[in-house]
Amino acid sequence: SQQGEEDPQALSIQEGENATMNCSYKTSINNLQWYRQNSGRGLVHLILIRSNEREKHSGRLRVTLDTSKKSSSLLITASRAADTASYFCATRNQGGKLIFGQGTELSVKP
Amino acid sequence: DGGITQSPKYLFRKEGQNVTLSCEQNLNHDAMYWYRQDPGQGLRLIYYSQIVNDFQKGDIAEGYSVSREKKESFPLTVTSAQKNPTAFYLCASSATGGDNGYTFGSGTRLTVV
Repeated sequence: SQQGEEDPQALSIQEGENATMNCSYKTSINNLQWYRQNSGRGLVHLILIRSNEREKHSGRLRVTLDTSKKSSSLLITASRAADTASYFCATRNQGGKLIFGQGTELSVKP
Repeated sequence: DGGITQSPKYLFRKEGQNVTLSCEQNLNHDAMYWYRQDPGQGLRLIYYSQIVNDFQKGDIAEGYSVSREKKESFPLTVTSAQKNPTAFYLCASSATGGDNGYTFGSGTRLTVV
């Protein structure tokens, strides 16, 4: 069962622009995580935000969480061609398993 | 360096054959997971194990089997009962406790020929 739904499914921007990806989920969560996947590779953990947090930063990444709307956003500032990848949100509930969304495919053109 | 190793990277299976995908971690993680990824469908959980000698079915366990005899290893067998096995398979591990991310292997691409 898919919990998170990312929007948009695909995003194409120029280098230097900001990229924003959104994630919506259905049930209550303990935390929400964002992962990155380069084509044909495994996923890499980017950032985790707990249910009692509203915003978190890590380098060029900024994540927000609105539990009242059951949504999160990932902002990548000053994007680079190397940021081209698929980005997934994943939610963790009290059962402990991560449930992944279908991902946003980001293309950053040089 | 600690991490997860999946092998092989590419695997070809004939109709009716069972194949086993390897997943080994040296991160001392208690929990391990197997996901299947198809184009446009994200990741779907096949099986997971939170402790040695114990594992649970995920959302799409039919046609698959696993074992967890050692903490470091969580092999996945794709049986002949799995009618559409062509996919990208990802193994992951995590420490126990809710505020831990998953560490993923680099995946095995299985193709039925």
